[in-house]
Amino acid sequence: DAGVIQSPRHEVTEMGQEVTLRCKPISGHDYLFWYRQTMMRGLELLIYFNNNVPIDDSGMPEDRFSAKMPNASFSTLKIQPSEPRDSAVYFCASTPAGQPPNEQYFGPGTRLTVT
Amino acid sequence: GEDVEQSLFLSVREGDSSVINCTYTDSSSTYLYWYKQEPGAGLQLLTYIFSNMDMKQDQRLTVLLNKKDKHLSLRIADTQTGDSAIYFCAEISSGGYQKVTFGIGTKLQVIP
Repeated sequence: DAGVIQSPRHEVTEMGQEVTLRCKPISGHDYLFWYRQTMMRGLELLIYFNNNVPIDDSGMPEDRFSAKMPNASFSTLKIQPSEPRDSAVYFCASTPAGQPPNEQYFGPGTRLTVT
Repeated sequence: GEDVEQSLFLSVREGDSSVINCTYTDSSSTYLYWYKQEPGAGLQLLTYIFSNMDMKQDQRLTVLLNKKDKHLSLRIADTQTGDSAIYFCAEISSGGYQKVTFGIGTKLQVIP
């Protein structure tokens, strides 16, 4: 398997623009997670899905952020409108259900810069 | 809620042992993990320990778990320059729906 795939790897955009980050989890994995990593706050869980259904979105910063998982092989994280404080590395991770030790497999991340 | 704390930075000389420490608050943790993040990459599971164990050894890695004090440590023997990375302590609780709580990460710098 190719692992978790994220696109784009780098995104530079201007404040106010819409940004869409994409993730393809590992085939057969039931859980998908979106994280944000910054120097100040470390790794933050934004939202996660089980079988394409959002389970916990309490980490989503505000209404400007939204995430969808229309099918088992694709998820998006959208920021509209983007702000400079959204600059971070965004990771997607997936894990299969019921397989201890419940390892999370991370994608390479998308580095977002909002100017 | 769950919380995982670890120091931000550790510097060691090549060939020495590194010890990275972590404390957690969730007494219902089932698995505790160490993830490694190399520059420009995502996190990768390095090792883990089940909560009913005190110690786990895997080649150069030794994980110690003190459940009473909720303290987890990772010892890397004969540290190499390739071990330079950020190390994340993490835990998953029994009712967590696969949700893992990560620490902020300890940056290990290995000096040649």
